[in-house]
Formats: sequence, C-alpha cells, structure tokens
Amino acid sequence: GAGVSQSPSNKVTEKGKDVELRCDPISGHTALYWYRQSLGQGLEFLIYFQGNSAPDKSGLPSDRFSAERTGGSVSTLTIQRTQQEDSAVYLCASSPGGTGKGYEQYFGPGTRLTVT
Amino acid sequence: AQTVTQSQPEMSVQEAETVTLSCTYDTSESDYYLFWYKQPPSRQMILVIRQEAYKQQNATENRFSVNFQKAAKSFSLKISDSQLGDAAMYFCAYQGGSEKLVFGKGTKLTVNP
Repeated sequence: GAGVSQSPSNKVTEKGKDVELRCDPISGHTALYWYRQSLGQGLEFLIYFQGNSAPDKSGLPSDRFSAERTGGSVSTLTIQRTQQEDSAVYLCASSPGGTGKGYEQYFGPGTRLTVT
Repeated sequence: AQTVTQSQPEMSVQEAETVTLSCTYDTSESDYYLFWYKQPPSRQMILVIRQEAYKQQNATENRFSVNFQKAAKSFSLKISDSQLGDAAMYFCAYQGGSEKLVFGKGTKLTVNP
C-alpha cells in the first residue's frame, strides 16, 4: 500500500516568507509526527497528533511554527516569517498507535527547506 | 529528559563481515522501547529493529540483531554478513512515556566491496 507522502520534496524560500509543508499519512494511522533534521541539531521532535488533536507540541521551536491536522488524515506544518536557521529537512511519520507505545513510526521522504 | 548517545560518527566494514554500532541512553523510566532506524541517501527512514525494555531476550531480524543491556543502558546493533545495501546512516532511538522518538546523532556506515 501507499506509504507516507510529503510535499513539496524541496522548497526554497526567501527569509521572511511563510511556508506550508504537507504530510499525507498512511491510511488508517491515527498518530502523526513531525520531526526536523538538521546538521547541527540532528533529528528533533516537533509535534505529535493523535487524531486531530495535538497532545504534545513541546518540540515546536517558536511561535512561528504551527501545525494542524484535519479529518484525522492530512497534516500541514506552517512556518511563518522564515529564518535561515529554519533550513532543514522536515520529516513526517505516522503510526497506527493510539495510547499504546512502541508502534513503528513510518516515515515519509521529507521536505528539504532552504531559506535564502 | 531522556538522551541517546551514539559515540561512533562513522564506521566502515568489509562486505560479508560483521559490524557493531554502539548506542547508550539515559532514562529514569522503567517502561520504554528502543529502535534502530536506517536512513539511506534517499532520506527515507526505515525501521531496522525494535526492542521492548521489559523483554530480556535480544531482538533479531535476519542479519540484524541487538545486544540490549538494560542495567548498562546500552543497545548496540550487530549487522552480520554486511551487504553494499546496508550502507546508510543508522539512528538509535528511544521511546518512553511520551509518543515521540528521541534520536541519537547517528552513525554513518560505509560498506567496502
């Protein structure tokens, strides 16, 4: 079946512009995660959705970052007023997990964001 | 907060040989899960192997196995009969009381023909 998909695969934007990154999880997966991968910081957790709610937003680095999930499916990560330090690969993952732990997280191919 | 440490930024192995990647973690939780993920140049993260902390038996998946030492908080990955396709970044990850994964910095594995 189809895996996790993300769009766009690459995005170049100018400093100060807003960007939206999209994630389509595996059908039926209730949990959805956003991570950021950068050379300096490695892989960092950003936010976790269970259904349409976000019980854990602890990784969002500033109020310029927000995310939503609609219909228990597609999620959008929005970065407002982008800064050069936002340049990174943004990874989305989904899992069938609800309240349980230890489910495999299935990752998408990521969106490489470059802020010039 | 939980931390995961991978002390080997790079490793290399000859094709068909065995290599072990190291991982240690720090936690005060008793119930958790540990993972090894592989990330080839395509960027796609792929689960290699998973270990439940309450299980004493080490997990194995074909050529991949782990040495899980709970008291030492160590979780190493052994790759046997290494293949060219095993070349990738390998990340050790921890999942405890929250749903998120906490990753180590990764180990870049090169497989030499």
